[in-house]
Amino acid sequence: QKEVEQNSGPLSVPEGAIASLNCTYSDRVSQSFFWYRQYSGKSPELIMSIYSNGDKEDGRFTAQLNKASQYVSLLIRDSQPSDSATYLCAVNMIPQGAQKLVFGQGTRLTINP
Amino acid sequence: GAVVSQHPSWVICKSGTSVKIECRSLDFQATTMFWYRQFPKQSLMLMATSNEGSKATYEQGVEKDKFLINHASLTLSTLTVTSAHPEDSSFYICSASPEIGAREKLFFGSGTQLSVL
Repeated sequence: QKEVEQNSGPLSVPEGAIASLNCTYSDRVSQSFFWYRQYSGKSPELIMSIYSNGDKEDGRFTAQLNKASQYVSLLIRDSQPSDSATYLCAVNMIPQGAQKLVFGQGTRLTINP
Repeated sequence: GAVVSQHPSWVICKSGTSVKIECRSLDFQATTMFWYRQFPKQSLMLMATSNEGSKATYEQGVEKDKFLINHASLTLSTLTVTSAHPEDSSFYICSASPEIGAREKLFFGSGTQLSVL
């Protein structure tokens, strides 16, 4: 079983709709979770971080964490064509100490005008 | 957010040559930096953890003699791909954080696209 799993997509969503991206992870002791956006040929850009169960909202983005189910998701409201990118879920596999992120394979999202 | 600078952005080299990639934290000091590699349509794979003033820690399967890491100061880490071969062609990305601890956010350099002919 992969440590961090994502549906590779592609996921197509009409402009203005809600895009829902999902991620599961295998290590129960993980405490830090991140969503990165990566455009083709570019390096990842941090969108959201979440550490506690529940929802965390930042503008059009909402991250959701359920540690019991080992599940983290990202919702993008009012999707725009500029949101088209690959979204990477990342999990810190070490509870304390140096950051050591394990990435999922990424979900390719396309927003259709 | 914090700024991490990476240079060069892309490099083309002949097989057998060595290539050095620099990673700098511009507005913070980083005792630890991370080097990732990404093949086309794949996710980022951690290669090694670069520690200022000490030896780097390599992930399983990564050859330390082929991928030399030097972290001589709190703002600079370098990755040298020695005797590069076509299979080393990849997107190399460094990252660092201005904070220490499990909740720190990683910021990435712009990446280096290496093509070995």
